This record gives sequence, structure tokens and C-alpha cells, in this order.
Amino acid sequence: EADIYQTPRYLVIGTGKKITLECSQTMGHDKMYWYQQDPGMELHLIHYSYGVNSTEKGDLSSESTVSRIRTEHFPLTLESARPSHTSQYLCASSENLSLGQQRTTDTQYFGPGTRLTVL
Amino acid sequence: KNQVEQSPQSLIILEGKNCTLQCNYTVSPFSNLRWYKQDTGRGPVSLTIMTFSENTKSNGRYTATLDADTKQSSLHITASQLSDSASYICVVSDRGSTLGRLYFGRGTQLTVWP
Repeated sequence: EADIYQTPRYLVIGTGKKITLECSQTMGHDKMYWYQQDPGMELHLIHYSYGVNSTEKGDLSSESTVSRIRTEHFPLTLESARPSHTSQYLCASSENLSLGQQRTTDTQYFGPGTRLTVL
Repeated sequence: KNQVEQSPQSLIILEGKNCTLQCNYTVSPFSNLRWYKQDTGRGPVSLTIMTFSENTKSNGRYTATLDADTKQSSLHITASQLSDSASYICVVSDRGSTLGRLYFGRGTQLTVWP
């Protein structure tokens, strides 16, 4: 099992609250990702980082922000939570995987997720 | 538009039976295809990865096939167990570099009954 952790696992909060979802990994991976997943739907990339002090927005527009001050941590923050933010948030980190013939790809390891409910 | 479509959306089988899940994709260029297993309330875990030149890859009772010409993949589960109940997600990566992006299917929800 991958050494990537997320806290809290479940969170129920009221509208307007500021929240931070924690993600940490002990594998020394440079690349980390945040995905949003609704029930029965595909994962959508909302943020990613290629290393310390590097953060980029993903494919799905999100009102959240991220920071990468340390390699191990990649927290996600919502300044003012709304019911539309209710979803599952998955954190992942990746390492290079050789496909042979001088080709590589990433293999991603996912955390257990945080189920967020905004009332 | 690059897409990954999976079928069926959900499937119920009895313990001990075999099943096959399908994945069709339009992602181009193609680098590799992965099948992930996602237990309820957990993050996805990689089962298999196949590149363009690979037709089949096994991981225990899981066997994935790939037809790069028709852009189809299947995941066959043999002698199903209750612990196989999960969502199975097909993920396709474009390009071959570490900058390639991932395209996720919506998954097939498999339920194994005793």
C-alpha cells in the first residue's frame, strides 16, 4: 500500500468556513496532484505540483488553492466553502516508470481521499 | 475530443463467476493504459499497465487486454471474490513523457454477491 495520507477522511462544515485538506507522502515523490471525484463520475485534476514552490491549475476549474513548501506536503485550501464544493478529494503522488525504449511515464499512488460535505 | 468510455456502468455477479469489463478510448497520441481498482471510500490502486505494443497483462486473477488498433481494452476477472467488489477505472495516458496527461473513465461498479 502506498505511503500517502490524507486528513481528515470525512469533513462536514457550514457554508463560508475556511478549510484545509492535508496530504502528505513519505515516498519522496516530486510530483503531487489533487483530484475531485463525484459519485459515479471520473476523476478531475484540479491542481498539480512538480516540486517545491511549483503549483499549477489542472483541467477542472476550482476555487481552491494549494501550496508546496515541502516535498512531503501538498495541502489544499478553500477560503470560503460552499455546498457546490461537496465532493470527494483525492491526493496522489507519482514516480517515473520506465516503459522501455527510452520511454517513461508516471505511475500515480493515491491517498484514501477526503469526503467533504458543505451544508 | 479525447475520451475514455467504460461499460457496463455497473455489474452484479455471483462469487466464483468470471466477468469482463470494457474500455473504449479515443485518446491520441496513445502512451499507455492502466486499470485501477477503487474500493468504496478509498483511493484508486493500480492493477495493470499496458503500452502500445502489449496485448495482455495479468495480475493474479486480473487479466487486461489491449487492442491498440480498435482502441479497446478489457479487464477480465477470474473466479470472483467478495473482495473484488469495487469500482474499476480505465485510465489512458497520452504522450510518452512524464508530462503526459491522464484521461479517466467513469468506472464500472462491480458487486460480487455470495
